[in-house]
Formats: sequence, C-alpha cells, structure tokens
Amino acid sequence: NAGVTQTPKFQVLKTGQSMTLQCAQDMNHNSMYWYRQDPGMGLRLIYYSASEGTTDKGEVPNGYNVSRLNKREFSLRLESAAPSQTSVYFCASRAGGPRETQYFGPGTRLLVL
Amino acid sequence: GENVEQHPSTLSVQEGDSAVIKCTYSDSASNYFPWYKQELGKGPQLIIDIRSNVGEKKDQRIAVTLNKTAKHFSLHITETQPEDSAVYFCAASRNSGGSNYKLTFGKGTLLTVNP
Repeated sequence: NAGVTQTPKFQVLKTGQSMTLQCAQDMNHNSMYWYRQDPGMGLRLIYYSASEGTTDKGEVPNGYNVSRLNKREFSLRLESAAPSQTSVYFCASRAGGPRETQYFGPGTRLLVL
Repeated sequence: GENVEQHPSTLSVQEGDSAVIKCTYSDSASNYFPWYKQELGKGPQLIIDIRSNVGEKKDQRIAVTLNKTAKHFSLHITETQPEDSAVYFCAASRNSGGSNYKLTFGKGTLLTVNP
C-alpha cells in the first residue's frame, strides 16, 4: 500500500513550457486535492475533485488545469509555466463523506526559470 | 471564507521542555481541526485532530485543546525530543458531509528542539 504517490519529484522548466504533474492513490479514496506550498504562505488549495468526474477551483486556480482521470489518478497541468509558479506541489486524498483525514503525497518541487 | 491564523511562526525550545502552538479561525461553523507535521523534504502528515464536540484530546505527548467560543485551538507537545523538530500546520474545515469539503491551513510553525 503506497498511499499517495507523485511524479516527478523534481522538475525544472523554462518560462512558457508546459508540464503535467501526476498523482495517484491506492486507498480507494473518493476525493483528491492539489495544493501549492510557498515559504511563509502555508498550503494553498489549487483545485480539488470531490469525486470521480468532478473538479472544482480552490483558492489559487489561475494558470492551472486539472483532470480526474479515474478514481485513482488526479493530474495537474501547467499550460504555460511562469516563474510565479515555482513552488512545491502536494497532492492529497480523502476517503470522503464524514471521514475528514487528508493524506498527502511526498511533493513535486518545481522551478520555473 | 475561512481564515486561519497561526502563531508563532518559529519556536525554539530545549529538549524536555514543552511547546505550544496556537491557531485562531474565523468561521464559527468550522467543526474539524487537524494538526499536521511536515519534516524536511516530505509531505505533511496528520498527527492529531479534534472535532467541535470535544474540548481536548490527547495522544501520548501530544494534546490539542479547542475553545469554540473564542474560536481558537492549540497544540501542546510535552517532553519535546529532537525528532519533534519540524514544521507544524493547523487547519480548519466545515464538514457537513457534503462534497465541497476543504481544509484551510495556517501558515505553519517551524519548531526546533535543541539537544
């Protein structure tokens, strides 16, 4: 049982390049989340998927798109990367309903030059 | 929306001392308050949580207290050890059992336990 996995672990992009961050969970959870973490800013929600087939914007969605590919996988896409998107990105999942605990992946460190 | 304030931003204690981290929240309807520990280079991990129908919860050296009237909750770590050194985040949410469940996080506290 790997929990929440993220790929890649680290990525360097040039301004304007695109990339997709991958996230998968093997806990049969319904809900999945993407956060970004910046120094002194805590964790901010980018997008979330309450259940397979649905996605909603979080606090900081501009410049990102998401796809809930199936129940296990939730990807985050940067269409045209900007230096302001340099951050550490975390994916999380939650069983759903009254079960509140979110389980986090190890993170993807992204540097946009 | 919900706003969570966390203090202090950094905390340094001697091994064996206690550490207290405090958070306040703005949405009186929030009813779930988890605490996460993040070690360097890793993702956050839940260490303890409390629901609004409980005033205090303990798990070995860790305890959390909640004051719903004042809208604040605190993390208490007793007999601190060097392995407690990490960034700690508080969070709050309103879980009505529906689909739009989201956590709002504080900005984190860097705890350093000096041997």
